[in-house]
Amino acid sequence: QVQLQESGPGLVKPSETLSLTCTVSGVSISRSYYWSWIRQPPGKGLEWIGYVFYSGSTKYNPSLQSRVSISVDTSKSQFSLNLSSVTAADTAIYFCARGGSAWYSDSWGQGTLVTVSS
Amino acid sequence: QSALTQPASVSGSPGQSITISCTGTSGDVGSYNLVSWYQHHPGKAPKFMIYDVTKRPPGVSDRFSGSKSGNTASLTISGLQGEDEADYYCCSYADSSPYVFGGGTKLTVL
Repeated sequence: QVQLQESGPGLVKPSETLSLTCTVSGVSISRSYYWSWIRQPPGKGLEWIGYVFYSGSTKYNPSLQSRVSISVDTSKSQFSLNLSSVTAADTAIYFCARGGSAWYSDSWGQGTLVTVSS
Repeated sequence: QSALTQPASVSGSPGQSITISCTGTSGDVGSYNLVSWYQHHPGKAPKFMIYDVTKRPPGVSDRFSGSKSGNTASLTISGLQGEDEADYYCCSYADSSPYVFGGGTKLTVL
């Protein structure tokens, strides 16, 4: 059974880079899955940030594309999110997830709250 | 891309059926049979409920079903149970992005 666990700082200063890691267990990260980051601002709905395919190819939400980078480290069974130049609007619960196809996610982590504040 | 439109809240009594709508455009829901639904109990991991409009993943109760007509997808829950009380999100593949989510619907079981 696949398990995903997000980790990273819970507080990031404005203008800095938000960095999170998702550790995957129970399945090889090198299999042909899409590994996504999705976020939920307080009191709002879900927003897809982007995904990395097991091969390393990526696709991002057009509204975030200029600030986002997602990568995979197969040796550590992890994939990571970097979001640059953050503002208070980036405060959210960040989820990592696995997709059997490019348009849905079938397994999710519990999420981690990241607050952007000085 | 704009979020898909869902009602903010729906409610029903135990044993009843409810339907949650998800309205998009010809650039997403209307053009692709690639709608998925997620159940989210706050503080927990979202659960994958429906994919490709009508398909249920293994382990999901057959009380949950999906459908689509034109630009609107729907999730129907029959035989409502207390444990179904949660937030529900639809998601569609779109011309501009593989994931466009709805704003979410809070289901209350009375």
